[in-house]
Amino acid sequence: DAEITQSPRHKITETGRQVTLACHQTWNHNNMFWYRQDLGHGLRLIHYSYGVQDTNKGEVSDGYSVSRSNTEDLPLTLESAASSQTSVYFCASSGDLGTSGVETQYFGPGTRLLVL
Amino acid sequence: AQSVTQLDSQVPVFEEAPVELRCNYSSSVSVYLFWYVQYPNQGLQLLLKYLSGSTLVKGINGFEAEFNKSQTSFHLRKPSVHISDTAEYFCAVSDLASGTYKYIFGTGTRLKVLA
Repeated sequence: DAEITQSPRHKITETGRQVTLACHQTWNHNNMFWYRQDLGHGLRLIHYSYGVQDTNKGEVSDGYSVSRSNTEDLPLTLESAASSQTSVYFCASSGDLGTSGVETQYFGPGTRLLVL
Repeated sequence: AQSVTQLDSQVPVFEEAPVELRCNYSSSVSVYLFWYVQYPNQGLQLLLKYLSGSTLVKGINGFEAEFNKSQTSFHLRKPSVHISDTAEYFCAVSDLASGTYKYIFGTGTRLKVLA
């Protein structure tokens, strides 16, 4: 079965360190998204990609970057981790116009990140 | 700009009682609407979605939602809840018709089902 996986599931790091969170999907979806989930804020979009070599900023992109070198992966990098980036991070993917279920996003299990 | 408001941050309800989780959205264009559920320590799972057609949408686990364009609402309902329905529920809106695949999420409603 197709799926979307995230690694690591839990991560503790120190302020100032660079951290990369992995997201891998086997749906063959072109669209991929990174969200962070914080109490009282719901899910907020960090970055998204509509295909290889395409990346776009979401509403809370400061301090984060992504790259898309293939269809399956969209790694999220925290350039210099800050305590304010302690959160739960979710990756999601969706298909393209003209495909069945294009409007539905499929979510990974999440990564809990603690920045000390 | 689109926005989604979930009016209740927490909803306690007794087992086998009905429940309604409220969601209002603001948008100047036609939208697609979604409800997702998040069980503890898990990712989000699609409950149901409204794209077009009948305004009453049925989803998994006995949930349904009604799209009301005049009131810009998409409230989620279940006639009889179970302990296993305890979870966080998120309403989301997507303006797919304009060519964007992005969602805007509400802040979530935590449903607590009591024995």
